[in-house]
Amino acid sequence: EAGVVQSPRYKIIEKKQPVAFWCNPISGHNTLYWYLQNLGQGPELLIRYENEEAVDDSQLPKDRFSAERLKGVDSTLKIQPAELGDSAVYLCASSSGWDPYRTDTQYFGPGTRLTVL
Amino acid sequence: AQTVTQSQPEMSVQEAETVTLSCTYDTSESNYYLFWYKQPPSRQMILVIRQEAYKQQNATENRFSVNFQKAAKSFSLKISDSQLGDTAMYFCAFMKPRRMVYGQNFVFGPGTRLSVLP
Repeated sequence: EAGVVQSPRYKIIEKKQPVAFWCNPISGHNTLYWYLQNLGQGPELLIRYENEEAVDDSQLPKDRFSAERLKGVDSTLKIQPAELGDSAVYLCASSSGWDPYRTDTQYFGPGTRLTVL
Repeated sequence: AQTVTQSQPEMSVQEAETVTLSCTYDTSESNYYLFWYKQPPSRQMILVIRQEAYKQQNATENRFSVNFQKAAKSFSLKISDSQLGDTAMYFCAFMKPRRMVYGQNFVFGPGTRLSVLP
């Protein structure tokens, strides 16, 4: 079974430029998460999707960040415009959410390392 | 709001020895889940072990086991017979049941960097 796929693995951009990250979750996983991980720290949740619906985006900086999950499978996270402080690793995770009364284990992708110059 | 604390930023252990990583958390919830994740230098986050709060029995996975003390809100990870491949960042994580739609559904600790020495 293929794991969570993310692309690109690395991205270097100039500040004020736009950037997008793509995530393909494990087949059949209807819950998808985007996290931001700063160097030497634990991941911080940005947004969680249940199928196509963003059910928790309270930590997403909506002035410059946006996300979408069309058709409830792949997801894209966008930053426009990027700032120096956005340099970090962006992680995607998915879990099987068929039972709404249980938490299911999250499986993580390799992440995208963003460097903003 | 839930918080997770890992008081040991770095630890080291000799190969084949046993090491224990500490984790404490704060929550007012009675039903929740606790995880240990491992992140090797390649950065792929891998699940090590999972504990459900309603279960009194401590979870074990091969060389990995936990000491779950619900009243003390403590969740430590013991690694037995440490191997060089265990070198990684270890994150303790707390998660509320998914039916709690909003709020801090999933919270990671700051991590402990473990080095296994030959």
